[in-house]
Amino acid sequence: AQSVTQLDSQVPVFEEAPVELRCNYSSSVSVYLFWYVQYPNQGLQLLLKYLSGSTLVKGINGFEAEFNKSQTSFHLRKPSVHISDTAEYFCAVSEGGYQKVTFGTGTKLQVIP
Amino acid sequence: GAGVSQTPSNKVTEKGKYVELRCDPISGHTALYWYRQSLGQGPEFLIYFQGTGAADDSGLPNDRFFAVRPEGSVSTLKIQRTERGDSAVYLCASSPTSGGIGELFFGEGSRLTVL
Repeated sequence: AQSVTQLDSQVPVFEEAPVELRCNYSSSVSVYLFWYVQYPNQGLQLLLKYLSGSTLVKGINGFEAEFNKSQTSFHLRKPSVHISDTAEYFCAVSEGGYQKVTFGTGTKLQVIP
Repeated sequence: GAGVSQTPSNKVTEKGKYVELRCDPISGHTALYWYRQSLGQGPEFLIYFQGTGAADDSGLPNDRFFAVRPEGSVSTLKIQRTERGDSAVYLCASSPTSGGIGELFFGEGSRLTVL
């Protein structure tokens, strides 16, 4: 069965510093991977997704993630964060050809001025 | 805008009562998902519709929970004999594609509080 682990529940980082949010998944088959973001008082929205092809995926707002099959990871990175990036970030997985999308427990990114 | 609409946004009920939560997806989206999000947790999958049929209801916690999508558009999540543990934000999402590869467009959720 597919599952997602986000090890960090909260990540504080200073403005303009780089950040990495970690995500590891478990699946016995090929997977599709996603990062969703939830800004305060808003609904979840897609940040980026990996379906196939290049393992480095670029998303909105300067975020990118790298799919690493050997380490079963899909970490999210941004080289320089802004105050407006303060939000909760969710990693999600869907086993290839199967419709259910399973979410992790989320990581709260707090950008400190 | 024509996003996913969920009603009510807030619902307070007493233990043992019946509750219905409604989701109006983006027009033309064939896939519709229900999730439940408890405080400090990620969205927990409940059920997925492709058209009118429930393609996967493996996440429904027990037989008190039921969902329908009779015309392949609006969906209603029904909870019988509510319990305090049912308190959570219930999220609906729709997608233009099946297979889990499409972007899920989420509504803002219905917050259910069972007293």
